[in-house]
Amino acid sequence: GESVGLHLPTLSVQEGDNSIINCAYSNSASDYFIWYKQESGKGPQFIIDIRSNMDKRQGQRVTVLLNKTVKHLSLQIAATQPGDSAVYFCAENIGSGTYKYIFGTGTRLKVLA
Amino acid sequence: GAGVSQSPSNKVTEKGKDVELRCDPISGHTALYWYRQRLGQGLEFLIYFQGNSAPDKSGLPSDRFSAERTGESVSTLTIQRTQQEDSAVYLCASSLSETHEQFFGPGTRLTVL
Repeated sequence: GESVGLHLPTLSVQEGDNSIINCAYSNSASDYFIWYKQESGKGPQFIIDIRSNMDKRQGQRVTVLLNKTVKHLSLQIAATQPGDSAVYFCAENIGSGTYKYIFGTGTRLKVLA
Repeated sequence: GAGVSQSPSNKVTEKGKDVELRCDPISGHTALYWYRQRLGQGLEFLIYFQGNSAPDKSGLPSDRFSAERTGESVSTLTIQRTQQEDSAVYLCASSLSETHEQFFGPGTRLTVL
């Protein structure tokens, strides 16, 4: 399949370390955010979401932080594993009752053995 | 049940020809989205269908692009008079109306020669 993320920013992390992927979003009115993971040749897959009335949400090995003051999202992955290697996208819902999303440009995570 | 499926998985066409891409959403999902992903880039919103409401076509890049959806089932994205800059992976996603998580298909890789 096609390899995505050939020209994207790349984060290289040693296996077992924690990863932090950052995203700046565009619309101060956005009320819902999702992080997606995209492996080569596949469609994006949901990881975790957060509403604008929260500043932190935890999942299994993942945490999303939201800073509305500076319009910044981060995804933290604990104990990064080789299977975490992929391109990660943040997506913002622009609100006003629509389910339309704007996706960020993505970050490629490379896990080093 | 089955996830979102798309066909064909790959399409090579000549400049100026029309192409039709198909998406079969998850059964029961009332929302359906089309995105375009150029090599090494993020997802670009094209169009969004929600139930019987008028589709949100605000992302369609030109009048050569159109999409239809039959009820709450299959959708087709048509690109007329294809150009080389149309070469990309076209991703379809569906979601339940009351949730935000989008489930993506594997995409159709379009190459315009």
